[in-house]
Amino acid sequence: AQKVTQAQTEISVVEKEDVTLDCVYETRDTTYYLFWYKQPPSGELVFLIRRNSFDEQNEISGRYSWNFQKSTSSFNFTITASQVVDSAVYFCAPGDSGGGADGLTFGKGTHLIIQP
Amino acid sequence: DAGVIQSPRHEVTEMGQEVTLRCKPISGHDYLFWYRQTMMRGLELLIYFNNNVPIDDSGMPEDRFSAKMPNASFSTLKIQPSEPRDSAVYFCASSTRTSGGTNTQYFGPGTRLTVL
Repeated sequence: AQKVTQAQTEISVVEKEDVTLDCVYETRDTTYYLFWYKQPPSGELVFLIRRNSFDEQNEISGRYSWNFQKSTSSFNFTITASQVVDSAVYFCAPGDSGGGADGLTFGKGTHLIIQP
Repeated sequence: DAGVIQSPRHEVTEMGQEVTLRCKPISGHDYLFWYRQTMMRGLELLIYFNNNVPIDDSGMPEDRFSAKMPNASFSTLKIQPSEPRDSAVYFCASSTRTSGGTNTQYFGPGTRLTVL
């Protein structure tokens, strides 16, 4: 079974600031996957990214970047030059060795508020 | 391509009534998941199916809840009788395993259930 801790309940920043969302996970699987989802005020859950445990290469996609550190069991997510539209609740979710086939364990989420 | 479809989007019912939530997964997906989201418990997995067969229903809160998947394109989650504490947003998600081994779940818009 997986466990995940998102210690930041709420973060508020001013537009254009950079912001990092923290995620610490626990898993007994030797190979596993990690996911980030976004839930905007409209309520839907939007898939953002997945990483597998044997690929620690960090990734940048536009204004988003991810920092995966297997040694510290962390999978942090950074938004550069934040925009008001980034305001949402962000969920980190570890999956099993099947890539999430057994269902995802979601953290409590971090509510990100971007003020204009 | 159509995403996961859920109906109804909103349901208001009175305690003791039967409630049926419906989900149509993405065509070609062979995994289907039901999640519930509440303020107190966050997002939690209720049950999931693979090829229309229930694999893990350990998250189903009690016998009042039941889920079926009669075919690859339709699933229901039924609550009978409903209670006020069942009020939540119920999400359906679907996925399929890729050649790379991942199994990314794509979520429907959710059904907001209110039991009075």
